[in-house]
Amino acid sequence: QQPVQSPQAVILREGEDAVINCSSSKALYSVHWYRQKHGEAPVFLMILLKGGEQKGHEKISASFNEKKQQSSLYLTASQLSYSGTYFCGTGNSGNTPLVFGKGTRLSVIA
Amino acid sequence: EAGVAQSPRYKIIEKRQSVAFWCNPISGHATLYWYQQILGQGPKLLIQFQNNGVVDDSQLPKDRFSAERLKGVDSTLKIQPAKLEDSAVYLCASSPGRNSYEQYFGPGTRLTVT
Repeated sequence: QQPVQSPQAVILREGEDAVINCSSSKALYSVHWYRQKHGEAPVFLMILLKGGEQKGHEKISASFNEKKQQSSLYLTASQLSYSGTYFCGTGNSGNTPLVFGKGTRLSVIA
Repeated sequence: EAGVAQSPRYKIIEKRQSVAFWCNPISGHATLYWYQQILGQGPKLLIQFQNNGVVDDSQLPKDRFSAERLKGVDSTLKIQPAKLEDSAVYLCASSPGRNSYEQYFGPGTRLTVT
């Protein structure tokens, strides 16, 4: 079952914050987040493996609510380099195949 | 450390022709994935290998697609015969495995079927 991402697209000015959500109708074991710039391969951002776990990478962090079967990606003080399409990938065990959402297109403007 | 290598980067073929893609994962990575990404969508897993064994190929159209990972290193993905709807970017990714599951993607092969 493909996870649902929201919003589909968002435009930010530099310095603004954004939240991208990823929800599933199935129980989750893991959530992966990737960013893909136009014409490039997806790049790994972070993986969350435990319910309620939060991880961070500079000004990008994420949470995983196992009970609600959803994850959120938080981008604070956005930079131009944050522009791209963000995908969540969900799995129901450690090495299970991921199912990716349709992506959220983020555009950061000056 | 070298990343995931793929070739060719671009391929244009006519429908009903065959095509093959090659992937060399990051050295030491046990798990290798092939994804199909249609424009505007997320990657869709075609097949996952653990070393040289298949973990999951449930979404691989086996009447036309085949993949192998000889000796647990390089992998090839073949399409024969190609259809118009196979036009997509084919991404190869690898992950260390052994409780480390982040995936590292190669640059992809953009296939156009005319």
